[in-house]
Amino acid sequence: AQRVTQPEKLLSVFKGAPVELKCNYSYSGSPELFWYVQYSRQRLQLLLRHISRESIKGFTADLNKGETSFHLKKPFAQEEDSAMYYCALRGTQKLVFGQGTRLTINP
Amino acid sequence: EPEVTQTPSHQVTQMGQEVILRCVPISNHLYFYWYRQILGQKVEFLVSFYNNEISEKSEIFDDQFSVERPDGSNFTLKIRSTKLEDSAMYFCASSESPWDEQFFGPGTRLTVL
Repeated sequence: AQRVTQPEKLLSVFKGAPVELKCNYSYSGSPELFWYVQYSRQRLQLLLRHISRESIKGFTADLNKGETSFHLKKPFAQEEDSAMYYCALRGTQKLVFGQGTRLTINP
Repeated sequence: EPEVTQTPSHQVTQMGQEVILRCVPISNHLYFYWYRQILGQKVEFLVSFYNNEISEKSEIFDDQFSVERPDGSNFTLKIRSTKLEDSAMYFCASSESPWDEQFFGPGTRLTVL
């Protein structure tokens, strides 16, 4: 079975503080992992994919196959990072999403 | 920058009625998808479509659902006889290949009364 778990529905941090959004997955093969972001009144958009191994808007995510995790991190949060963040897995063509974490950055 | 578009943004219908949700994928994309998100729940995959055929579908995508590419630009999702539990946000997505990024539309909010 393909499953993505984001344990935190809500996460609130202060501006300038580090951020970590947790994501764990379950998949029998070798999945591709993604982070999608949805800013207020905007569409879902891709933030990161594990195969590209790049940093977008200061965010990074490392795939840990041993812990089946793909946590999203940013060392210094900014107010514009406030959004809904979804972790997703792709094994076949479809994306399997987690519940999402609403991140709020307090000034 | 090209975007996936969806119409209408909000559709209200009576239980038992048929609805058609429309999507215009990005023009050079060949793979199309529908997802839905019931309020407070996860975004769930419904169906993927390529070369005028369904390539993958979920358990949710039963006989009351169908998809079609009626012309060179539109991609539609039809729900034949809507139920209360079909109320959700429906997202269309498209990609160049099955392994490329899926680009999402803004969604259609379907409300079944």
